[in-house]
Amino acid sequence: SQQGEEDPQALSIQEGENATMNCSYKTSINNLQWYRQNSGRGLVHLILIRSNEREKHSGRLRVTLDTSKKSSSLLITASRAADTASYFCATDFRGSNYKLTFGKGTLLTVNP
Amino acid sequence: DAGVIQSPRHEVTEMGQEVTLRCKPISGHNSLFWYRQTMMRGLELLIYFNNNVPIDDSGMPEDRFSAKMPNASFSTLKIQPSEPRDSAVYFCASTDDFHQVFGPGTRLTVL
Repeated sequence: SQQGEEDPQALSIQEGENATMNCSYKTSINNLQWYRQNSGRGLVHLILIRSNEREKHSGRLRVTLDTSKKSSSLLITASRAADTASYFCATDFRGSNYKLTFGKGTLLTVNP
Repeated sequence: DAGVIQSPRHEVTEMGQEVTLRCKPISGHNSLFWYRQTMMRGLELLIYFNNNVPIDDSGMPEDRFSAKMPNASFSTLKIQPSEPRDSAVYFCASTDDFHQVFGPGTRLTVL
């Protein structure tokens, strides 16, 4: 079964608003990552958070990780139309040889 | 660096034909992954290699699928014979740590 499950499945907001996406997983992880996929393109790595970290920032992105709840959230602040894409969380485990398990993604639409 | 290179970008073939997808990973990356993406099943890991050796092929759907990595700079995914249900976008990704770099994908349509 899928390790990571994102919610919501789809999110539509206005430009300038903040977007929050969540990811839950089932077993202990080593790292959790977020990727973005624009329509018709490959996935692009956004940010990685380690299991001993609770929060990480990169530009307009903020990721939190709660290992006790086995969940993570991705916040995009001051969204832009160019942020329209699908967002996936991916997890790995100790000894997984860099193998990632992806969720099914959240489709974010930012309306201008 | 040109990134991960995949060819062809689009492939349309008829049921029963052999299909070969190609991937050139980023130089220096020692792990390579093949994924398949469909609307119904999402992103599925098919097989991955470490240092050109297949580590886990449990995601390969059936014997019609095979993958090789003869050297550090080239990998192929072959489907023989192809079926309409194989229609999907196939991605190759490479890494030297946990951050994977994806290629642009090959969109396969089997008629």
